[in-house]
Amino acid sequence: AQSVAQPEDQVNVAEGNPLTVKCTYSVSGNPYLFWYVQYPNRGLQFLLKYITGDNLVKGSYGFEAEFNKSQTSFHLKKPSALVSDSALYFCAVRDSSFGNEKLTFGTGTRLTIIP
Amino acid sequence: EPEVTQTPSHQVTQMGQEVILRCVPISNHLYFYWYRQILGQKVEFLVSFYNNEISEKSEIFDDQFSVERPDGSNFTLKIRSTKLEDSAMYFCASSEGQGSHQPQHFGDGTRLSIL
Repeated sequence: AQSVAQPEDQVNVAEGNPLTVKCTYSVSGNPYLFWYVQYPNRGLQFLLKYITGDNLVKGSYGFEAEFNKSQTSFHLKKPSALVSDSALYFCAVRDSSFGNEKLTFGTGTRLTIIP
Repeated sequence: EPEVTQTPSHQVTQMGQEVILRCVPISNHLYFYWYRQILGQKVEFLVSFYNNEISEKSEIFDDQFSVERPDGSNFTLKIRSTKLEDSAMYFCASSEGQGSHQPQHFGDGTRLSIL
């Protein structure tokens, strides 16, 4: 079984400040972890992934995420928030078991950057 | 950048009618997926499709649902007899190659409204 928790429905950050969007996961095997962003009336846009290797992964638009195996977390971060970062963010996990293709998503976190 | 395209963007259908949602995946991708998002809820996996057959499906994907790749470019989701609870945003996705570490790329979705 695989699951994802995003504990915050809403995160507000002042423009220019660092931001963090939290995600924890649960899988039977090894996790493949993803972050997606959704803008209004649009689909899910891939931001970054963790598969193996360096725990800090970098993605699009200056976002990065840190994989922490002991805490089963994969928090999304950005050093300096922009107003254009305001959107709905989804964390997703895939168990690395062969034949498992489905992504399991969290409930999403609405990020609002305040000018 | 290549995109997954979905048509129509909005479909309104009477309960009990059949509906077909269409998707054109990214051209060199080999794995195809359908997800749905009921308003206010999380994105849920429906089905994955590879080599002209279903590779995995969720408990949501019952006998009223079917998928097809009728030609080299389209990937369709058919709901035979729609119910009110089928109202949702339906997302098509595709990924290249084999392996669970490949990110899935999503279309902008079809909003299905059942009356």
